Amino acid sequence: AQKVTQAQTEISVVEKEDVTLDCVYETRDTTYYLFWYKQPPSGELVFLIRRNSFDEQNEISGRYSWNFQKSTSSFNFTITASQVVDSAVYFCALSDPSGTYKYIFGTGTRLKVLA
Amino acid sequence: GAGVSQSPSNKVTEKGKDVELRCDPISGHTALYWYRQSLGQGLEFLIYFQGNSAPDKSGLPSDRFSAERTGGSVSTLTIQRTQQEDSAVYLCASRSGTDDYGYTFGSGTRLTVV
Repeated sequence: AQKVTQAQTEISVVEKEDVTLDCVYETRDTTYYLFWYKQPPSGELVFLIRRNSFDEQNEISGRYSWNFQKSTSSFNFTITASQVVDSAVYFCALSDPSGTYKYIFGTGTRLKVLA
Repeated sequence: GAGVSQSPSNKVTEKGKDVELRCDPISGHTALYWYRQSLGQGLEFLIYFQGNSAPDKSGLPSDRFSAERTGGSVSTLTIQRTQQEDSAVYLCASRSGTDDYGYTFGSGTRLTVV
């Protein structure tokens, strides 16, 4: 069965600190996609990144970076020099590769960045 | 439209009443999904529509839940005889049918059953 675990329920950091959000997944499929979404207080989930299971290269986008390691089934998300605007709930998701692209979401990590 | 539109944004209903939630996806997006987000929980898949194919209803929690998509565009999620445990945010998302580069979500409908 597929599963996504985000063990960190809530994290609080002071602005400018770096923070890493953990995501561990379970799947028997060899081909799959992993995602991160951001849900700000407004409620609308915003797509951040998609990672193909065959591509283990780390990715950096501005202050955001992602570390994908198949050996540990992890897809962690780091925010460097956090800002108050980063405060949100972040969801990690695993895509069903059957063609429907249904997602299995983790329970989310609430990040609070304090000024 | 430019984004996924959901209405109403908030709905308070009495236990036992029926409710209809509406989703207007991005024009041209053939795939449409409904998810439910309960307090403290992740997003739970409910139903998936792809073009004119039969929908994937495998996530609907009971036969009180149903959904339809008319003309390959607007979708309506109906909950009959609402229960308090139905209280949640119902999120709709659409995706271009060509590949999975991520969904575009609507802002959701917050349903409260009292």
